[in-house]
Amino acid sequence: AQSVAQPEDQVNVAEGNPLTVKCTYSVSGNPYLFWYVQYPNRGLQFLLKYITGDNLVKGSYGFEAEFNKSQTSFHLKKPSALVSDSALYFCAVRVPGGGYNKLIFGAGTRLAVHP
Amino acid sequence: DGGITQSPKYLFRKEGQNVTLSCEQNLNHDAMYWYRQDPGQGLRLIYYSQIVNDFQKGDIAEGYSVSREKKESFPLTVTSAQKNPTAFYLCASSSGTSGRARTDTQYFGPGTRLTVL
Repeated sequence: AQSVAQPEDQVNVAEGNPLTVKCTYSVSGNPYLFWYVQYPNRGLQFLLKYITGDNLVKGSYGFEAEFNKSQTSFHLKKPSALVSDSALYFCAVRVPGGGYNKLIFGAGTRLAVHP
Repeated sequence: DGGITQSPKYLFRKEGQNVTLSCEQNLNHDAMYWYRQDPGQGLRLIYYSQIVNDFQKGDIAEGYSVSREKKESFPLTVTSAQKNPTAFYLCASSSGTSGRARTDTQYFGPGTRLTVL
């Protein structure tokens, strides 16, 4: 079955330290992978995506993600966390094949950046 | 959130009522989607539409209905048949669903929070 896992419900990090939010996937074929961020009572904002090419993808607000095919992972990273990065982060994978742009979402990871 | 509007922001429903959530986009996107978000469960697809006058059920369509009479609009009706409608509802759109558009990003509206009284 196609699935996305975000193994951590919450990640805590001090401001200025590097952060990592983990994501692993299970799909058949080549995946298209996405990261979104959600602030309280708001919609999802697109951060970045991996389609093909370089395994390191750079996105909005200084975030980047590394695609690792052997480990089926797509971890989100930032070299120096800000308090304003505190939010709910979702990893999603587009299911290859089929007739429409279906995304499967992970359950989300809450990031808390402490001053 | 730019380009996709949802209204109202908050909605309260009494038992047995149908309610309609609005979603409008000015991005000239062909495809539109409705998701439901519950705490700790991520997003689940309710319905999607690839083109005007066409829509398909997603993973949790029971108790919901949609229409797609205009490219810009994709309203969702939560019917009295939906037993647990309290949730945060998100509308999204993307440029298309086939060919190169398969890799296109879905962009989301700000959401509607529905509460059953």
